[in-house]
Amino acid sequence: QKEVEQDPGPLSVPEGAIVSLNCTYSNSAFQYFMWYRQYSRKGPELLMYTYSSGNKEDGRFTAQVDKSSKYISLFIRDSQPSDSATYLCAMSPSGGSYIPTFGRGTSLIVHP
Amino acid sequence: EADIYQTPRYLVIGTGKKITLECSQTMGHDKMYWYQQDPGMELHLIHYSYGVNSTEKGDLSSESTVSRIRTEHFPLTLESARPSHTSQYLCASRGPLTNEKLFFGSGTQLSVL
Repeated sequence: QKEVEQDPGPLSVPEGAIVSLNCTYSNSAFQYFMWYRQYSRKGPELLMYTYSSGNKEDGRFTAQVDKSSKYISLFIRDSQPSDSATYLCAMSPSGGSYIPTFGRGTSLIVHP
Repeated sequence: EADIYQTPRYLVIGTGKKITLECSQTMGHDKMYWYQQDPGMELHLIHYSYGVNSTEKGDLSSESTVSRIRTEHFPLTLESARPSHTSQYLCASRGPLTNEKLFFGSGTQLSVL
């Protein structure tokens, strides 16, 4: 079993839709949870960062962490064509090297 | 805007050639990383460094080697390229604070024929 599971998609939605992206994980030591966005032919860039459980909101983006279920989510409100990208979840434990473990990414397509 | 640069962006090369993928950052970061990414697959850590003269192998077994002679420079070398090395290689760096975010370069897409 992989430490981090993420559905690769693609997920295709119309402009303006609410998008839900999810990851599950098996390592209960993970404390830091991140979402990276990767446009085609670019490197990933950090979008959201959460420590432990709870919600975090930044503009149209909301990250949720449910440690009891080992489940994290990223919600995108009022999705735009410019949101079309691959979204990778990543997580790391508290302590040690803090090197994150990445999911395989979900490809999102927002069509006008 | 992250100041981390990778060259070349694309490389097509024949089997058996020696190649070096360049990675440089201007942020003064001590921690640097090399990841391998195949389409639709996870990023796999192949090498990392915590500073000058420090290099470690990552989770994914790799036939590549790295060096860290200067803080800003972290090149990756393949002594004899094979078709199985065809992949995207991403370089990243990170600041000194606990669990600071990774800054990624734009990657090198390597094709070995």
